[in-house]
Amino acid sequence: NAGVTQTPKFQVLKTGQSMTLQCAQDMNHEYMSWYRQDPGMGLRLIHYSVGAGITDQGEVPNGYNVSRSTTEDFPLRLLSAAPSQTSVYFCASRETGETQYFGPGTRLLVL
Amino acid sequence: KQEVTQIPAALSVPEGENLVLNCSFTDSAIYNLQWFRQDPGKGLTSLLLIQSSQREQTSGRLNASLDKSSGRSTLYIAASQPGDSATYLCAVCAGGYQKVTFGTGTKLQVIP
Repeated sequence: NAGVTQTPKFQVLKTGQSMTLQCAQDMNHEYMSWYRQDPGMGLRLIHYSVGAGITDQGEVPNGYNVSRSTTEDFPLRLLSAAPSQTSVYFCASRETGETQYFGPGTRLLVL
Repeated sequence: KQEVTQIPAALSVPEGENLVLNCSFTDSAIYNLQWFRQDPGKGLTSLLLIQSSQREQTSGRLNASLDKSSGRSTLYIAASQPGDSATYLCAVCAGGYQKVTFGTGTKLQVIP
């Protein structure tokens, strides 16, 4: 099992550019989530999914889109990058009520 | 809205000491609480998961307790080692879709 994988590991964008952060899991988990981590703010939930075709907003969803067409994949799209979206992004997956597993993170710098 | 607080924000102890990290949450209607460890520049590693029906969980030198009624959890680390130096995060799972809310963490330094 690879667990939760994320690509890319690091990305630099210019303001206004768009990009997709990839996340995949091979544990057949129903639940997948995206978080951003900023100094002093902890991890904040961006979007989450409780199964293929079902997504919902978390605490800080503005500027981000998600979709869940398969159980394995949960990409996060930045529509028009802003400097405020400079952060470390983590994807996670779990079964309902069970341990949450995290990917290694994507460091994003928006200039 | 669930709020999760971790105190202290940072802690420095000499090697060998036993220590306690604290986590408090505002909504006691939780499914479970999880403790994580995060090393600098790395992802999160799960340490212990306590279901709402449990009072504590143990793994090696780690023991986590849960008191739902008071909205508190503690992570006890016995005989601390320099390798325990990291940031420790607690996360509470609650609500209709079982959303997870994180505390801001306690940064632990164990001095040799």
